[in-house]
Amino acid sequence: AQKITQTQPGMFVQEKEAVTLDCTYDTSDQSYGLFWYKQPSSGEMIFLIYQGSYDEQNATEGRYSLNFQKARKSANLVISASQLGDSAMYFCAMREGSYQGAQKLVFGQGTRLTINP
Amino acid sequence: SAVISQKPSRDICQRGTSLTIQCQVDSQVTMMFWYRQQPGQSLTLIATANQGSEATYESGFVIDKFPISRPNLTFSTLTVSNLSPEDSSIYLCSAGPFGNQPQHFGDGTRLSIL
Repeated sequence: AQKITQTQPGMFVQEKEAVTLDCTYDTSDQSYGLFWYKQPSSGEMIFLIYQGSYDEQNATEGRYSLNFQKARKSANLVISASQLGDSAMYFCAMREGSYQGAQKLVFGQGTRLTINP
Repeated sequence: SAVISQKPSRDICQRGTSLTIQCQVDSQVTMMFWYRQQPGQSLTLIATANQGSEATYESGFVIDKFPISRPNLTFSTLTVSNLSPEDSSIYLCSAGPFGNQPQHFGDGTRLSIL
């Protein structure tokens, strides 16, 4: 069964606009973690933001914020004031189990974000 | 956050040969992970490498094809054996946690098979 679902294969946004990338997840664990990574065309995976299942506040890192809605099992990434350099693939991923335990990640299919000037 | 160095960054190999990818972390970590990303696809975990024990392989991946070494807490290698065009992918190593920091990735190895 698909554990991470990203329903937007591609997104096109005007520069300086905010953009929301959707991610829903499925797990029966109470303890889990959600990640967002950016992958430019060069191929490296750049960590953006992390949300733990017990974190009460939504995570924020600069222009990135994670809209965590636990009851709906969604963890959307919000990028404010988009820039041309934000054009890339974006992956949502989940770690199941406690932080000190299993660390393997399951990835969604990704969303290709294109920022238009 | 920790630095993860992966090499080579890219290679072009002949069918039937093998390629060994190295992953070096600048601090000691318990777990290291190897992922494969086929063209246009998402990342799929190949195996988890713990120091001092055999790697744990995910369904669909076998040790004969993807032997892994983990000689110490900062280093691991992945070998892709008997290369075929289907092995053309980006291979990424990952490690963590680093204190409260979650997993980070190396820059990846882009492998093409002639």
